[in-house]
Amino acid sequence: ETGVTQTPRHLVMGMTNKKSLKCEQHLGHNAMYWYKQSAKKPLELMFVYNFKEQTENNSVPSRFSPECPNSSHLFLHLHTLQPEDSALYLCASSPRGVDRQETQYFGPGTRLLVL
Amino acid sequence: GNSVTQMEGPVTLSEEAFLTINCTYTATGYPSLFWYVQYPGEGLQLLLKATKADDKGSNKGFEATYRKETTSFHLEKGSVQVSDSAVYFCATTDNTDKLIFGTGTRLQVFP
Repeated sequence: ETGVTQTPRHLVMGMTNKKSLKCEQHLGHNAMYWYKQSAKKPLELMFVYNFKEQTENNSVPSRFSPECPNSSHLFLHLHTLQPEDSALYLCASSPRGVDRQETQYFGPGTRLLVL
Repeated sequence: GNSVTQMEGPVTLSEEAFLTINCTYTATGYPSLFWYVQYPGEGLQLLLKATKADDKGSNKGFEATYRKETTSFHLEKGSVQVSDSAVYFCATTDNTDKLIFGTGTRLQVFP
């Protein structure tokens, strides 16, 4: 069950650019997540939206700005990024909200390169 | 806070070999434990999970048992295939039910 799509799949941007990552799920899930995956590091949870309300901001710099306009869509707005922000950005969703027994369903990710 | 430690890779095996990928956890309360797999060019997908002590998760020939006495959740498969080549992530939940991932273990299976 792939159900979670992300666009674009690849993105190259300069440090002064503004871009947005998009995540979409039509699984009827109630929680959505942004993760950052860097080489040799554990996945880092960035943001959580539970029933469209942001419930977690894991000390993420303000140059990353999430938006959840409805339960099916999640955006990550990027501006004035740094080269160390280059990573794979993964979106995920879970059915009943944030719950210790819930399975999270991941999208394929956006590979971001900041020059 | 809660955390998981998994063996560093890569793990390199021949087809039909036995696989073990070790995972130990540090946790308070009653966390759930998960194994997720990431195939090349894809996002993570759930492989198996266990939500309480002594539970065994299984899927696609993979198994892992939630062992509270040794705080472990080792992943095993009796006979690996080339198609099992991927990165495997152990994960637990924290006290707010968020997932905490390990660093991942790359498995390479050769014919």
